Amino acid sequence: TQLLEQSPQFLSIQEGENLTVYCNSSSVFSSLQWYRQEPGEGPVLLVTVVTGGEVKKLKRLTFQFGDARKDSSLHITAAQPGDTGLYLCAGGRYGGATNKLIFGTGTLLAVQP
Amino acid sequence: NAGVTQTPKFRVLKTGQSMTLLCAQDMNHEYMYWYRQDPGMGLRLIHYSVGEGTTAKGEVPDGYNVSRLKKQNFLLGLESAAPSQTSVYFCASTYPGKSYEQYFGPGTRLTVT
Repeated sequence: TQLLEQSPQFLSIQEGENLTVYCNSSSVFSSLQWYRQEPGEGPVLLVTVVTGGEVKKLKRLTFQFGDARKDSSLHITAAQPGDTGLYLCAGGRYGGATNKLIFGTGTLLAVQP
Repeated sequence: NAGVTQTPKFRVLKTGQSMTLLCAQDMNHEYMYWYRQDPGMGLRLIHYSVGEGTTAKGEVPDGYNVSRLKKQNFLLGLESAAPSQTSVYFCASTYPGKSYEQYFGPGTRLTVT
């Protein structure tokens, strides 16, 4: 059962354009992470958000955690070819001692020069 | 400091053959995980371990076994490979804590014919 749905699944844009990627769930998460994965490599953490409504900025990337902690968005301003990659959201839950994450379906971004 | 390493990087198996994937981390992390990544499915958890000598099933454990004899190593075994196990396998590790950040290896691409 896939609990985290990402949209869009694929996105091809020109350098300099803005874009937003969405990560939605019907479940509440205690934290939400965004990873970026380049071809032939493992995912690398970009950011973690833990508070409902939280907004974090990482240069041209803005991450927001929904007020109810069920959804998140990633906005990229003035995209560059170096932003190309697979973006994955991942939710963590309260309780237990496993630090397990549930990963989203992924958004493949291609930024054309 | 190599982080998380995985061997081998690529492997082709015939149906029914067996193999072991090795994951090693040098960050002294307690928790380790095995995922598989298939197109449009994100990352799905196969098995995980919260400490040396302990393992537990994840979301898609059937057809796989694991062992954690040493804290730094986590082995994933396929006893009788099937074409449905063709995938890219990622190992990850982390420490106990609220952030749930996971550190990933570079992956193993496995093809079962």
